Amino acid sequence: KQEVTQIPAALSVPEGENLVLNCSFTDSAIYNLQWFRQDPGKGLTSLLLIQSSQREQTSGRLNASLDKSSGRSTLYIAASQPGDSATYLCAVRRAAGNKLTFGGGTRVLVKP
Amino acid sequence: ETGVTQTPRHLVMGMTNKKSLKCEQHLGHNAMYWYKQSAKKPLELMFVYSLEERVENNSVPSRFSPECPNSSHLFLHLHTLQPEDSALYLCASSQKIGPSNQPQHFGDGTRLSIL
Repeated sequence: KQEVTQIPAALSVPEGENLVLNCSFTDSAIYNLQWFRQDPGKGLTSLLLIQSSQREQTSGRLNASLDKSSGRSTLYIAASQPGDSATYLCAVRRAAGNKLTFGGGTRVLVKP
Repeated sequence: ETGVTQTPRHLVMGMTNKKSLKCEQHLGHNAMYWYKQSAKKPLELMFVYSLEERVENNSVPSRFSPECPNSSHLFLHLHTLQPEDSALYLCASSQKIGPSNQPQHFGDGTRLSIL
């Protein structure tokens, strides 16, 4: 059974500092991995999707890496801003079926 | 409207009530999903529909009854719920089911509170 863990559960940084969010998964037979952002009381917004054959994906200040063999992904957010405050979730999709397995999320606060 | 829309945004109901959650997607997708997000627990997949046919039920109690009348609409009918069913219920859609590198698109959810 796939398990996804995100550490830390919460993170507080001053504005301008780089953010490093970690995601680990127990079964390396994944199809892809997605990072989402969730604002309070809102749904999920997809940030980056990394295919199992890729090592990283970049979008603006966001960079996500994937090491499938060790079961890890890291989301880097450069030069954090107060608007980056949100909960960040990672989810892995297995090679067969429809299921996304989510981690518990990391709640980020960027202080001005 | 674009994206995935869920109504109502908030719902408070007693354990003996019957209510329904509605989800509508305007993305032309063929797959729709119900997820449950409880406090202090990871997001859990409940149901998956593809072209109006239920293809997955992740051991969800029968007090939750999904309905997909067409590929744009998805309902979750609720009856005799328990306090532990209080959660944020999220709907999502995607182009198709199965292994895909197309992301799922989520609605803003319905916050359900059971008295």
